[in-house]
Amino acid sequence: AQKVTQAQTEISVVEKEDVTLDCVYETRDTTYYLFWYKQPPSGELVFLIRRNSFDEQNEISGRYSWNFQKSTSSFNFTITASQVVDSAVYFCALSDSYNAGKSTFGDGTTLTVKP
Amino acid sequence: DGGITQSPKYLFRKEGQNVTLSCEQNLNHDAMYWYRQDPGQGLRLIYYSQIVNDFQKGDIAEGYSVSREKKESFPLTVTSAQKNPTAFYLCASSNLRQTAVDTEAFFGQGTRLTVV
Repeated sequence: AQKVTQAQTEISVVEKEDVTLDCVYETRDTTYYLFWYKQPPSGELVFLIRRNSFDEQNEISGRYSWNFQKSTSSFNFTITASQVVDSAVYFCALSDSYNAGKSTFGDGTTLTVKP
Repeated sequence: DGGITQSPKYLFRKEGQNVTLSCEQNLNHDAMYWYRQDPGQGLRLIYYSQIVNDFQKGDIAEGYSVSREKKESFPLTVTSAQKNPTAFYLCASSNLRQTAVDTEAFFGQGTRLTVV
């Protein structure tokens, strides 16, 4: 069975601080996908980043970066220079390599960015 | 614009009633999904469909039913057998490919169902 753990329930930072959201996963699959989604107050989940299991290269995309480590089964997400508009619930998700929409989600981390 | 449309946004159900939540997508995705979200929790999979006229149970299918008569539509019925239906329901769709660039799921804006 797959499992995703987001140990941080809530995080509060002041604008312009960097913030890292933690994600630990469990799976028996050898190939899989990991995702981060953002859920603003409107409710819709918005895709942020994707990583497949055979590519551990860490990347930066604008203010977002991620650190994927298979050895520790972690997929952490960092927002640099946070902004008030980043306030939302962030979900880490895990899927197999064929059906990316059939995902196991963590319980989410509520990020509040204060001005 | 391509996307997923869920309706209604808010729905109230009386005890013992069946209600149907609508989900339509114009992304030409093969697969569609229904998730349930309770306060402070992540999403849990109710049902999913990878092809027209076929669907599979997810982790919490009891008390729900679905149909997939058209590629673009995947309605969810919350039956009277669902004992605690008050929740936020999200519909999603995605492509199905072994190695694709765009394998993420696209989500609708959700339906908030309340039992009165």
